[in-house]
Amino acid sequence: QKEVEQNSGPLSVPEGAIASLNCTYSDRGSQSFFWYRQYSGKSPELIMSIYSNGDKEDGRFTAQLNKASQYVSLLIRDSQPSDSATYLCAAAAGGTSYGKLTFGQGTILTVHP
Amino acid sequence: EAGVTQFPSHSVIEKGQTVTLRCDPISGHDNLYWYRRVMGKEIKFLLHFVKESKQDESGMPNNRFLAERTGGTYSTLKVQPAELEDSGVYFCASSQEERGVPRVEKETQYFGPGTRLLVL
Repeated sequence: QKEVEQNSGPLSVPEGAIASLNCTYSDRGSQSFFWYRQYSGKSPELIMSIYSNGDKEDGRFTAQLNKASQYVSLLIRDSQPSDSATYLCAAAAGGTSYGKLTFGQGTILTVHP
Repeated sequence: EAGVTQFPSHSVIEKGQTVTLRCDPISGHDNLYWYRRVMGKEIKFLLHFVKESKQDESGMPNNRFLAERTGGTYSTLKVQPAELEDSGVYFCASSQEERGVPRVEKETQYFGPGTRLLVL
């Protein structure tokens, strides 16, 4: 079992729809979780961080965390073609040390006009 | 504010040669990380510096890889001698480490553009 697991997709949604991206993690000690967006050939760009159970909203993006189920999700409302990219879920290492991020393999999202 | 910068953007070398990658973190960020993505795989952690000290180097593949951060500013990652399987994209990231900053802020990492290494 991978430490952070995502559906690789591709996920295709029409413009204006809601895109739902999911991620599960295995380290129960992880406290912080991150969603990055990566365009082809570019660096990962931070979209959201979340560390409390529940929802966190920022513009068109909503991150959801359920620690009991070890599940993180990202919702993108009113999807735009410019949202087409690979979305990476990452979990920060648990315990007293911190820093190491464990990434999922990424979900490819395509938003078609 | 300038982001994380990396040099070179691309490097093509032959097996057995040496390559040195450089990373300049965001100004004031004491945490510096190296990651690597090989073709078809997820991004993998290599190591973590806090200032000039190695906090965690559990991800370093073998002793052909040497990372340094003299003076606690920029960092270098040297691969000597390079092997074919070292090909991939090497990312550097940085985060804050000030006293009193919440843990989630210390763990929020900003990535550089990466160095694309091809070993022939």
